[in-house]
Amino acid sequence: GAGVSQSPSNKVTEKGKDVELRCDPISGHTALYWYRQSLGQGLEFLIYFQGNSAPDKSGLPSDRFSAERTGGSVSTLTIQRTQQEDSAVYLCASSSAGVGNSPLHFGNGTRLTVT
Amino acid sequence: AQRVTQPEKLLSVFKGAPVELKCNYSYSGSPELFWYVQYSRQRLQLLLRHISRESIKGFTADLNKGETSFHLKKPFAQEEDSAMYYCALRLASGSRLTFGEGTQLTVNP
Repeated sequence: GAGVSQSPSNKVTEKGKDVELRCDPISGHTALYWYRQSLGQGLEFLIYFQGNSAPDKSGLPSDRFSAERTGGSVSTLTIQRTQQEDSAVYLCASSSAGVGNSPLHFGNGTRLTVT
Repeated sequence: AQRVTQPEKLLSVFKGAPVELKCNYSYSGSPELFWYVQYSRQRLQLLLRHISRESIKGFTADLNKGETSFHLKKPFAQEEDSAMYYCALRLASGSRLTFGEGTQLTVNP
């Protein structure tokens, strides 16, 4: 019933610390996406999971970023040694199929602030 | 690689005036095009998709393959249309959705 859920909603961390962002997709959705939303930068694709296929990691900006999806459901985006330029809203979305024009359902995002 | 361009970061119109939010894309194949909208303090959501040829909240968008454009139009803007609008593209053969930078629409009373 519920939509895509992300936690925490806000995260303030010190430069150099690691952070973990969580996403609970809509039940039954096989596709899961992470995007980053920054002022003036639009929506930047990070990573995409589809079923049991290898994830599309082509959008991850550096090797400090990684993501996993356990059991085909919950996903965690990890940022190691955070930098100030990592400050942004991190959005998760899920959809019901990997092909075709099924829409993405977005969460409310996690606002990350690196001080 | 595919790219989506929204040339206007900010667009301001008066209530009742026509509005057009521009979207151009670069891809040589047959893409799927979408418009997503984010109202203040709400999550990003689908507005319309080109394959459905639908009108949602008075908005329409026509895919012009010759001009590689997918502009969003509404003949009479309303104050509640004020929001951030994102154009998005997905390759017909894949599922990664590429977004433009967004256009912040403000409809003034």
